[in-house]
Amino acid sequence: QKEVEQDPGPLSVPEGAIVSLNCTYSNSAFQYFMWYRQYSRKGPELLMYTYSSGNKEDGRFTAQVDKSSKYISLFIRDSQPSDSATYLCAMCPGGSYIPTFGRGTSLIVHP
Amino acid sequence: DVKVTQSSRYLVKRTGEKVFLECVQDMDHENMFWYRQDPGLGLRLIYFSYDVKMKEKGDIPEGYSVSREKKERFSLILESASTNQTSMYLCASRPRAGGTYEQYFGPGTRLTVT
Repeated sequence: QKEVEQDPGPLSVPEGAIVSLNCTYSNSAFQYFMWYRQYSRKGPELLMYTYSSGNKEDGRFTAQVDKSSKYISLFIRDSQPSDSATYLCAMCPGGSYIPTFGRGTSLIVHP
Repeated sequence: DVKVTQSSRYLVKRTGEKVFLECVQDMDHENMFWYRQDPGLGLRLIYFSYDVKMKEKGDIPEGYSVSREKKERFSLILESASTNQTSMYLCASRPRAGGTYEQYFGPGTRLTVT
């Protein structure tokens, strides 16, 4: 079992839909959780991060961490075609700056 | 704006060639990383460097070496390229101070070994 599991998709949704992207993990030492967005032929860029459990909101994006279930989510409201990209979750244990990445989920938002 | 640049976007090499991939960052970051990204496997860490002349093996160092002679530059070397090293190679950097876990990535080099 991989430390971080993420469904590769693709996930195809119509414009305006609410999107839910998820990762599960097995290492209870993970404390810092990140979501990266990667457009085609580009490097990943950090979208959001959260520390420990709880929610964090930034515009149309909400990151959620449930440490008891070892489950993290990224919600995108009012999705746009420009949100079409691969979304990678990443997480670090306390005291380490070396992240473990999920495989990434390909999201397609069609007009 | 943090900028991480990689020397080539696309590279085609022959089996057995020695290949150099160069990465330069302009933000005085101490930490630098080399990953490869393959469909279905995600990002895998090859090597990282905490500071100049320091290097640590990542999860898949076999067949690779690195060099960090200057703070801004981190080179990945394929000593004798093989077809199973065909992949997207991503370089990243982050500052040691400040407590941020974020890594800043370059645009990637797509390497094909024939």
